[in-house]
Amino acid sequence: DSGVTQTPKHLITATGQRVTLRCSPRSGDLSVYWYQQSLDQGLQFLIQYYNGEERAKGNILERFSAQQFPDLHSELNLSSLELGDSALYFCASSVVASGSETQYFGPGTRLLVL
Amino acid sequence: DAKTTQPPSMDCAEGRAANLPCNHSTISGNEYVYWYRQIHSQGPQYIIHGLKNNETNEMASLIITEDRKSSTLILPHATLRDTAVYYCIVCGATNKLIFGTGTLLAVQP
Repeated sequence: DSGVTQTPKHLITATGQRVTLRCSPRSGDLSVYWYQQSLDQGLQFLIQYYNGEERAKGNILERFSAQQFPDLHSELNLSSLELGDSALYFCASSVVASGSETQYFGPGTRLLVL
Repeated sequence: DAKTTQPPSMDCAEGRAANLPCNHSTISGNEYVYWYRQIHSQGPQYIIHGLKNNETNEMASLIITEDRKSSTLILPHATLRDTAVYYCIVCGATNKLIFGTGTLLAVQP
């Protein structure tokens, strides 16, 4: 158990809908990262937040957005869903020690768009 | 961040050491080598990381060559539960992990 929690575990929805995925980082971790894992693209970095501020962006679609709240939990919002958005979505939180940063991943949310 | 090259798959007998190689010839001085694994569709699990010295923890050992262009992850006594995809990732200041296709390690009974 990494200490990172994600809800829900599974989500089934229809095209055109909007969903929100939630991530609670490990206690004390200020950074949250979101990743998407689809069958054809592998694990891809989407976005990073640090203490409430967006820090880095990866291959995140404009239909997707995220935020990190004062209690440090984060939400990933996916809108106008398409079949191709079906994937596993992971969040990770990180700790910095001895000059390096290690990310710990949650169990993921499996999204199925029908 | 530097790119890594790993064999697509490897087999290992249960109880034997599993040695997983990784090439990262374009690694730069401030980049760390990280290893993660993913069992089935679970979240990636952190294993170990290092900069230039060899590292060991309760899960594995990491051997980094002197020129830092390659490394080897060693699982000393592989078990069936170690069957997973192992990712070698080079990561620097950006802190975003760029996952390749990894090595599928199959531990055989």
